[in-house]
Formats: sequence, C-alpha cells, structure tokens
Amino acid sequence: SQQGEEDPQALSIQEGENATMNCSYKTSINNLQWYRQNSGRGLVHLILIRSNEREKHSGRLRVTLDTSKKSSSLLITASRAADTASYFCATDAGQGGGADGLTFGKGTHLIIQP
Amino acid sequence: EAGVAQSPRYKIIEKRQSVAFWCNPISGHATLYWYQQILGQGPKLLIQFQNNGVVDDSQLPKDRFSAERLKGVDSTLKIQPAKLEDSAVYLCASSRVRRGLDEQFFGPGTRLTVL
Repeated sequence: SQQGEEDPQALSIQEGENATMNCSYKTSINNLQWYRQNSGRGLVHLILIRSNEREKHSGRLRVTLDTSKKSSSLLITASRAADTASYFCATDAGQGGGADGLTFGKGTHLIIQP
Repeated sequence: EAGVAQSPRYKIIEKRQSVAFWCNPISGHATLYWYQQILGQGPKLLIQFQNNGVVDDSQLPKDRFSAERLKGVDSTLKIQPAKLEDSAVYLCASSRVRRGLDEQFFGPGTRLTVL
C-alpha cells in the first residue's frame, strides 16, 4: 500500500517560477526522503529529512516536515527545463521486527514550460 | 564510482513463462533492494537484503517470485510463472547502511512486458 500521497498529481509552470509539491503520510516515520525520476537519469535521491528536523535546504531545493500534520513539502526555486520529472516522497516507517519499510507515494509529475 | 547495474534493460515474455533479472550493486554497499514500479505508480518494495540475508520480503509474492543474493554482492530476481499483472519496471537499489538511514542508489531498471 502507498504510505505517502503527493499533491498535486501534476503541475505545469513556466521556467524560472517556483514549484511546490506536497506529501502526506499516514503513520509515524523515522525520516522522509524525496526522489526525482525522469527517463534520462532514472530514480535519483534528492534530500532526506529526519523526523526531528523541520526544514532542510540543498541548492535550489527546500524541504519542510510537519510531523504533527504528517506532511512534507518540496519547494524547487527558479525552476529549469531540466527539472521536468516525476517527484516522489518516500517514508521510512521504522516498524519493528526488522521491517523498516521505505514506502513511495504515487508522485507529482512536474512540467517546466520554456 | 560506478552506479547500480541491471540487466537486461528490456524483456518481453508470454504469460506463464519464466524470467530472471540481474543486479550488481555499488561496491561496498551492504544493503540491496528490489522494487516493482507499475506504470503511473511509485516503486513498491519487494525484498531487502542485508549482505546475503533477507531483511524484509513481506511484499514479495512468494508463490511466483524468488530472489537471492549469493556472496552478498550480486542479486537475481526471478518470476516463475509470470502473469499479465507482473508487467512493470523492476528496480534494483543499494545503500551503504540499512534502508531509512541513508539514501538509496537506483539502477536503470528492467522493463518487463508480459503478453
């Protein structure tokens, strides 16, 4: 089953604009990660935020985590055509018994218009 | 460093046939994962290995899927017999430590079409 659900499912913006996508999840987590997938480079890790962190930056990426609302957001600033891809959030639920599952959502498909 | 290698990249088979996928993780990565990604969905974990031992195979359909990681390096995933609903991209990933504590590095995937 999908733990995370990204919103919106699809997003189209002009190059240079900022893109924001959200992720909601259901159970408590150890950390949350964002991945990007496109046909050229496959699935690539972007950023990891631990459950005791509230915000993290990496280049043009900014991730926030609100564990009380079980939600996260990914902001891409000054978007470029190369940012066109599907973006997935993935959660580590840290269940007992060795099953520390990393579960992906269905993704947000981002299109950057030139 | 070299990335995660997978082969073949594409495979087309008839239903009820068998198929095997191969994965070579990044050198030194102890943890290896196989995911199934159906079109339009996110990856779903099938099995996780720590060295050559299975950590989590709760979502692996064991009546038809099997996987092994001999000597704690390469891994193979087999489907026998294949069903139409097995059509998907099969992704292999590896990480230095246990999943959830470190990022995962993904291979290019094997796209399986079952006719």
